[in-house]
Amino acid sequence: AQSVSQHNHHVILSEAASLELGCNYSYGGTVNLFWYVQYPGQHLQLLLKYFSGDPLVKGIKGFEAEFIKSKFSFNLRKPSVQWSDTAEYFCADMVYGNNRLAFGKGNQVVVIP
Amino acid sequence: DGGITQSPKYLFRKEGQNVTLSCEQNLNHDAMYWYRQDPGQGLRLIYYSQIVNDFQKGDIAEGYSVSREKKESFPLTVTSAQKNPTAFYLCASSTTGGSGSEQYFGPGTRLTVT
Repeated sequence: AQSVSQHNHHVILSEAASLELGCNYSYGGTVNLFWYVQYPGQHLQLLLKYFSGDPLVKGIKGFEAEFIKSKFSFNLRKPSVQWSDTAEYFCADMVYGNNRLAFGKGNQVVVIP
Repeated sequence: DGGITQSPKYLFRKEGQNVTLSCEQNLNHDAMYWYRQDPGQGLRLIYYSQIVNDFQKGDIAEGYSVSREKKESFPLTVTSAQKNPTAFYLCASSTTGGSGSEQYFGPGTRLTVT
């Protein structure tokens, strides 16, 4: 079955530090990759997505992700985090043949002011 | 405003009782999904439906049931057979357009069974 791996479930960093969250997916065919964010008390919302084209994808709130096919990776980055980036971040891959999403276990990110 | 509504936000039940969680969308999406979110487990798919009157089991369907009688509604019943029902339940919807079709999520229902 398709799977998504996220590492370092808990990340704590200070404001202005750089953030990189790793995501590895298992399916080697057509990709539809997503990063979602869940701010405290809010809906899960889309940060960015990739399915074709430029492998460097820019999303909302200064986030970007790079698709590297040879590494089966879709890592999320932000050069300088703010306290408001405290949230849980989920990587997801669309399951081949239907619209299901396989989610990783998430990264709980805490930004200290 | 277009979106997904889930009700109630918090739900408490006694063990042995069935309980139904509501999910309604006005996005005109064909596909709807139910996920369960537990700390450190990410989101796990319970059931999904790509068209009215049809649905498929996800990865953890045991102890749950759904119906899809209307395009905008996809209620989830947590039955007494579900061994560990206390969790945060998320409903989502999407188009079935294939590449790049993102899922839109509701606010969730937190179910506590004692």
